[in-house]
Amino acid sequence: GAVVSQHPSRVICKSGTSVKIECRSLDFQATTMFWYRQFPKQSLMLMATSNEGSKATYEQGVEKDKFLINHASLTLSTLTVTSAHPEDSSFYICSARDSGRFKGADTQYFGPGTRLTVL
Amino acid sequence: AQSVTQLDSQVPVFEEAPVELRCNYSSSVSVYLFWYVQYPNQGLQLLLKYLSGSTLVKGINGFEAEFNKSQTSFHLRKPSVHISDTAEYFCAVSVGTGANNLFFGTGTRLTVIP
Repeated sequence: GAVVSQHPSRVICKSGTSVKIECRSLDFQATTMFWYRQFPKQSLMLMATSNEGSKATYEQGVEKDKFLINHASLTLSTLTVTSAHPEDSSFYICSARDSGRFKGADTQYFGPGTRLTVL
Repeated sequence: AQSVTQLDSQVPVFEEAPVELRCNYSSSVSVYLFWYVQYPNQGLQLLLKYLSGSTLVKGINGFEAEFNKSQTSFHLRKPSVHISDTAEYFCAVSVGTGANNLFFGTGTRLTVIP
């Protein structure tokens, strides 16, 4: 149980285009999902917290107009990198918090990540 | 504010030897503690977690960790490592009743030498 998927696993795009990354909780409902960015050989940096049915909460320094987050259902959150530039190239990882009351509710489950390369 | 320190950025160890990956945290309130493993080009997989109760926590793949409140530590151990344990290991802390606001350490690269 507690599986989170991401699509696509890797994407290469031209500078100036927009890229959408999907994050799905496959076997549980997640009112809260998180988006992280990871630079090579570094730890994860939280970008934003996505709440189902409401606006995302962005961390300081993260441009909300650059990184659009939508959490339209209890199993899906999307991150759109708008007008991507080479400096946006990174590994993007999502996680989902199990909303259930029982075992697992205090844990974030992570997706496999999306490698974005902007040329 | 919360912070997590993983002092060892790299730990090389021979196959079948024991290993300990260190994690210390700072927080003025009670915390939940986690260890995650990341294999190359993959997301994070939960190894184990401490929420409450017994301070010795057993996880997957033969790993265990012990919560030490007085030393504010949550070190990860395995008595005998395998080649397949080669990966990046992250310690993380969250505060409050839910797993929001995870604070990650900088990671420890475990390399198992045949």
